[in-house]
Amino acid sequence: NAGVMQNPRHLVRRRGQEARLRCSPMKGHSHVYWYRQLPEEGLKFMVYLQKENIIDESGMPKERFSAEFPKEGPSILRIQQVVRGDSAAYFCASSPPGLAGGQYEQYFGPGTRLTVT
Amino acid sequence: GDSVTQMEGPVTLSEEAFLTINCTYTATGYPSLFWYVQYPGEGLQLLLKATKADDKGSNKGFEATYRKETTSFHLEKGSVQVSDSAVYFCALSEQDTGRRALTFGSGTRLQVQP
Repeated sequence: NAGVMQNPRHLVRRRGQEARLRCSPMKGHSHVYWYRQLPEEGLKFMVYLQKENIIDESGMPKERFSAEFPKEGPSILRIQQVVRGDSAAYFCASSPPGLAGGQYEQYFGPGTRLTVT
Repeated sequence: GDSVTQMEGPVTLSEEAFLTINCTYTATGYPSLFWYVQYPGEGLQLLLKATKADDKGSNKGFEATYRKETTSFHLEKGSVQVSDSAVYFCALSEQDTGRRALTFGSGTRLQVQP
């Protein structure tokens, strides 16, 4: 059973460009989460999605950031007009469907390291 | 809101030493508690978890006990190895609100010297 897949692993963008980060959850998992890790810091929650639905986007910056999880294909985190402060590691996690709450741990992908030059 | 506080690192130990990494939390409800480990250049791996008071999570020689009275979930290992060198994150998620987001501490870097 393959784990959570993220690509690309490393992404370099110039200021003002768009960054697209992809995440394929584990087989059988229908819940996807995105987190951002700034250098030497912990992970901060950004958004929680189920297929075709954004469930919780309380951690998403109000501008330039968007996320989707279509019926077919991977989840996408899109950052428009990137700035240097967007440089970070972006981690995707997935969990299986079922009861809400913390009984189901989240399984993390290897991350995408975004560098904005 | 919820928060997790971990002891600051780096923690430097000699091989076979005893490890404790402190973690305390603040939560509005009754959280589940987790320890994740991150090796250099990799994503997070779940190390252990506990979902109710007095539960002890354990894995690979690591253990942590859910202490509701002190709102703590300290990580311990009796004898560390060089291969345990990594960053350790304490985290919580709410069980009773349906909110699935994990709240992480800032991480504690462990360096084990041979």
